Parts: sequence; structure tokens; C-alpha cells
Amino acid sequence: SQQGEEDPQALSIQEGENATMNCSYKTSINNLQWYRQNSGRGLVHLILIRSNEREKHSGRLRVTLDTSKKSSSLLITASRAADTASYFCATVLTTDSWGKLQFGAGTQVVVTP
Amino acid sequence: GAGVSQSPSNKVTEKGKDVELRCDPISGHTALYWYRQSLGQGLEFLIYFQGNSAPDKSGLPSDRFSAERTGGSVSTLTIQRTQQEDSAVYLCASSFGTGRSYEQYFGPGTRLTVT
Repeated sequence: SQQGEEDPQALSIQEGENATMNCSYKTSINNLQWYRQNSGRGLVHLILIRSNEREKHSGRLRVTLDTSKKSSSLLITASRAADTASYFCATVLTTDSWGKLQFGAGTQVVVTP
Repeated sequence: GAGVSQSPSNKVTEKGKDVELRCDPISGHTALYWYRQSLGQGLEFLIYFQGNSAPDKSGLPSDRFSAERTGGSVSTLTIQRTQQEDSAVYLCASSFGTGRSYEQYFGPGTRLTVT
């Protein structure tokens, strides 16, 4: 079974609106990462947040991490049509020495002009 | 600089045939990972290389799957006697250092279809 579960499974918004998606996980983590995937091919890394961090920003992206609730959220502000993609959270477990990513099922985001 | 490259981009094979998938990581990245993505199973880890050795093979689904890495660079994933359930997109990623605390850079993937 997958380590992470994402909510919602799909999200449809208009340009300029904010998009928020959530990720929950089951086991203690070293870090949590968010990736974007266009057209079902390669993934692009967005943000890495470590277990001792609570919030990180990168451009229009804001990620929060609550280790007590084993959850993270990704906020995309002022969305654009180009943000249309699938977004995945992925965790690296505390017990893992090599950094293998355990992915959630993903959130499909559609941004309409 | 160049990103991670994979070849072929698409592969259609008949059930029972062997296939080889290739990954060229980013130069200088010692950590290399293989994942696969399928409709039923989502994104799954297959194998991890540090240099030429594979300390974590825990994700390989059966002994029909094997991988090697030579010269600390190019990696090949081989699937023997392919089955229809092997149909998926196979993704390769590389990372700096041991990979544990670093982002992974993904290639565009190889779409494998077993008929």
C-alpha cells in the first residue's frame, strides 16, 4: 500500500484562484517532497521539506508540514493555465538510508483560463 | 546541463519477450533510482543504485526484473519474459550524494506496452 494519500483526487479551478491539496502519510519521515507531472511522463521536483521544518515557500508555492498529524499541504497561489498537471507528494522514511520515494496517488489539477 | 535521459521513449513488445530499458543520469549524480508508474499501482520504487552497487532492490516485483549500472553512470533495467502486467511507464531518477536528503531529477520515462 502507498505511504501517502492525497486529497482531493481532482481539483478544477479558474486562473487566478488558489489551489490547495493535502497529503497524509503513515510512518515517521525524514523529509517530504512535492512533484509535478505533466502528461503522464517525467516528474519535476517542486519543494523538499524536512521533518524539522514547518513551512517552505518557493515562488507561488507554499508547503506546510505537520508531523504531529502526519500531514502536509501544497498551496499554489494565483494559479495559471500552465499549472495544469498532476501533483504528487512523496516521503522518505526515517528508516530509509537511501532516499527512495514513497508516493501518494496524486491530485489532478485543471486550471481553466 | 543535460538532464536525465531514457531510451527508448516507447517500447511495444510481445508477451514472453525480454526488454532492456536504459537510463543516463545527470553527470556527477551518484544516486540512481528506478520507479514505475501504472494505472493500478501508481508510482512504485523498484531499485536504488549508489555508484555501481544496488543496496536496495526491495521494489523489484519478481526475479524477471534485474538492473545494473556500469561506470557509476548508465543503468539498464531488464525485464525477462515480459507479462502484460509489466505494462507501465518506467521512470529513472538521479540525485546528488546518497540521495536521502536531496531532490531527485526524473527522466521522461519509457512507456512499455506488452501485447
